Amino acid sequence: DTGVSQNPRHKITKRGQNVTFRCDPISEHNRLYWYRQTLGQGPEFLTYFQNEAQLEKSRLLSDRFSAERPKGSFSTLEIQRTEQGDSAMYLCASSWKQGGGSETQYFGPGTRLLVL
Amino acid sequence: SQQGEEDPQALSIQEGENATMNCSYKTSINNLQWYRQNSGRGLVHLILIRSNEREKHSGRLRVTLDTSKKSSSLLITASRAADTASYFCATDYSGNTPLVFGKGTRLSVIA
Repeated sequence: DTGVSQNPRHKITKRGQNVTFRCDPISEHNRLYWYRQTLGQGPEFLTYFQNEAQLEKSRLLSDRFSAERPKGSFSTLEIQRTEQGDSAMYLCASSWKQGGGSETQYFGPGTRLLVL
Repeated sequence: SQQGEEDPQALSIQEGENATMNCSYKTSINNLQWYRQNSGRGLVHLILIRSNEREKHSGRLRVTLDTSKKSSSLLITASRAADTASYFCATDYSGNTPLVFGKGTRLSVIA
């Protein structure tokens, strides 16, 4: 299967703990996105990478959140000192984009985080 | 804030009927996309319509775009129970910025 994969699929943690999620994009894609989705809402943009460069971060992304894409392939999203408000589905998507052209994003199945 | 707003928030129809969902947005766009999400899963891209296009078809899907009204509609014809999902519009308003998703329309197709 060459789709976008995410691990783990589910994570339950206690408030104050750190968590890390991984996303493996489609191999030839240069862009990788992270979104957060809460119940009844659409995905909210968090950050994205073009190759290994992090090009934009949302104002939603507090200092407790950090993302990396060290070799321009897989990416990790870490949340430090988790809070109950961090409970959500974290979605990863990848795409191939050149210049200002249109792109189609391919989403992974998401990681559902529950902070107790 | 999310740029696209779908209407209605929820829609329930009988199998075989057509389903129409609308999306309104606030500023000029490069393109508009529709995605589907089955419960608890990732999103699947359905169709992309560019700002200079007015209508596109893909199988049982028909998308229209009215840039003067800043709105788009997604029509699913001859609906099936398997079409039950949430449908989101996403706006690409400069070609170099992230997609902005609406809150979605939850479609239920009753067999």
